[in-house]
Formats: sequence, structure tokens, C-alpha cells
Amino acid sequence: DQQVKQNSPSLSVQEGRISILNCDYTNSMFDYFLWYKKYPAEGPTFLISISSIKDKNEDGRFTVFLNKSAKHLSLHIVPSQPGDSAVYFCAASGTSGGNEKLTFGTGTRLTIIP
Amino acid sequence: DGGITQSPKYLFRKEGQNVTLSCEQNLNHDAMYWYRQDPGQGLRLIYYSQIVNDFQKGDIAEGYSVSREKKESFPLTVTSAQKNPTAFYLCASRIRTTSNQPQHFGDGTRLSIL
Repeated sequence: DQQVKQNSPSLSVQEGRISILNCDYTNSMFDYFLWYKKYPAEGPTFLISISSIKDKNEDGRFTVFLNKSAKHLSLHIVPSQPGDSAVYFCAASGTSGGNEKLTFGTGTRLTIIP
Repeated sequence: DGGITQSPKYLFRKEGQNVTLSCEQNLNHDAMYWYRQDPGQGLRLIYYSQIVNDFQKGDIAEGYSVSREKKESFPLTVTSAQKNPTAFYLCASRIRTTSNQPQHFGDGTRLSIL
């Protein structure tokens, strides 16, 4: 039972445009959501997070939106740059797990076209 | 320079052999985690430890063992009971506070079967 889903395995975006990566979750107990970026043969790098008490969090070119009623979050990257080409994972944790355990989606491979 | 160090980067295991993957952090983080990543899949939690001398099973603990004798170290042993050990193994750590904090990852160890 996949509790965190990234339904788009890949996405291609023109350099300078907006990249939008989506993530859906099923567990209502999740209250903390994160996005990680991963290059091949490296560990994931933390990008941005959002708590369920907010619906938006912004950090430079990265903005995460949370729609709790739809159990959906998205990551917006504006403007997209070639260095943004990577696999992006969304992850979630909940108070039922003491916020210790992260549940990951399967990832979306983002390719920025120069 | 603070961070999480995983070694070795590549490891080969013979049939019936136990192997140990090293994870060391100098971030003074309380909690440490081991994940496994298979192609096309998200990260799955093997074991985690919130404090020294204590650890809990994750979602796929069978065939693995861990120890947490020191705060900075959390080695993972892949035993011969793990029938499909070929994967990319990632170690993470996190500071534990009253607020949500992200996990930070090492660069991984790729384990293959000879």
C-alpha cells in the first residue's frame, strides 16, 4: 500500500520556465512533508519542507504548496535551471510515528532542456 | 566540515557472506536511519535509532541487523538471510527537537552480489 505517490515518473521542462512536481498522499496522519533532490550515485539533498499548519512555503526559487483537503502537495521551481535536472522525491511523516519515520514516493525525474 | 560519511562507496558480497556498511556522522544528531533504494522505487526504511543503545525495525528489517553503541555511528550488517541484497543503501541522521526537522543523507553505498 503506497501511502505517498508520485504519479509522473518523468518531466521535461524548458530552461527558464516553471517546473511543477506533484505528490499525493493517502494517510491523514501525515503532518510534515518534505522534498528531496537526488543526483545519480549520491544521497538525497533536502530542498524544502512544509508543516500541515501551512499551505505554502517558499525558499528562493522553490515553493511547496499543500492542499490538505485533496491530500496533495506540489513543488514549483521558478525559473528552472539546467542544474535542477535530477530525481525529486517527496516524503511525509506523521505524529503517529513520532515524526521519526519518513515515507517516500517513488520519485520524478526532472530534465531541464537548455 | 560536518556531514554524514558512508563507506565503502561500492561493496561486493559473496553468497552466504555477511557484510557491514559503515555510517558515521559528526553533526551531533540524535537519530540515525538506514534506507534501501531499488531501481524505480522510493527509499524504504530498514532500521532507525533515536538514541544510543536503542533502535527499532523499519518496514523491511528482515535479513539486516544494526547497532548503536556510539552517537556518531550506526553500522548496518547485511546478513546471509537477506536473499536480495543488491541495492543502494543510504544512511541518514536528524536532530531531534520539539519542531519538525529534516533528515540529512550520506552519499550511499552500492552493494552488489558476486
